[in-house]
Amino acid sequence: DSGVTQTPKHLITATGQRVTLRCSPRSGDLSVYWYQQSLDQGLQFLIQYYNGEERAKGNILERFSAQQFPDLHSELNLSSLELGDSALYFCASSVPQQGALNYGYTFGSGTRLTVV
Amino acid sequence: GESVGLHLPTLSVQEGDNSIINCAYSNSASDYFIWYKQESGKGPQFIIDIRSNMDKRQGQRVTVLLNKTVKHLSLQIAATQPGDSAVYFCVSGGIKAAGNKLTFGGGTRVLVKP
Repeated sequence: DSGVTQTPKHLITATGQRVTLRCSPRSGDLSVYWYQQSLDQGLQFLIQYYNGEERAKGNILERFSAQQFPDLHSELNLSSLELGDSALYFCASSVPQQGALNYGYTFGSGTRLTVV
Repeated sequence: GESVGLHLPTLSVQEGDNSIINCAYSNSASDYFIWYKQESGKGPQFIIDIRSNMDKRQGQRVTVLLNKTVKHLSLQIAATQPGDSAVYFCVSGGIKAAGNKLTFGGGTRVLVKP
């Protein structure tokens, strides 16, 4: 157990629908990152939150949005789903303090989204 | 923008042999590097990291080498075992944590043959 919890583990939904993926970061970590990984592909950075605020944005579609709540858990919302959105979605969290040394990310086990 | 790439997409290794996975990065400002291992259906796991003030770091059966002159990173796995079969990602970024987004390379798949 990495300490980063993602739910649900699996999700099957139809095209055009909307889903919400949830992530609880490791205790004490303020930064949350979302990544998308399509079959046999690398990790595509979507978005980062730091202590409730959006910090960095990657290749995130306008149909996708995220937020981080006061208790630091984060949700990734995917709407108007298309077949091509089928992928593994990973959440990661990292060292909290501003100016702290980087110790990399701790990843959750992912949510496998299948759009049919 | 920064890119981190890998020379070989797939590496087949005989069990017991040593594995070497190579990676090139383009941002000379990167001063922190990590190797992650991702087994099928799981999230990436931290293996070893190295900061730019070092050129070599050893862990348990793994060694990371950093050549800042040519912006090259490698991961050596000694006595490769079946459990080492996975995709390996090299990652680069800044040594300061907050607000830092690490850049993942495309990954190298290591297949260990019995």
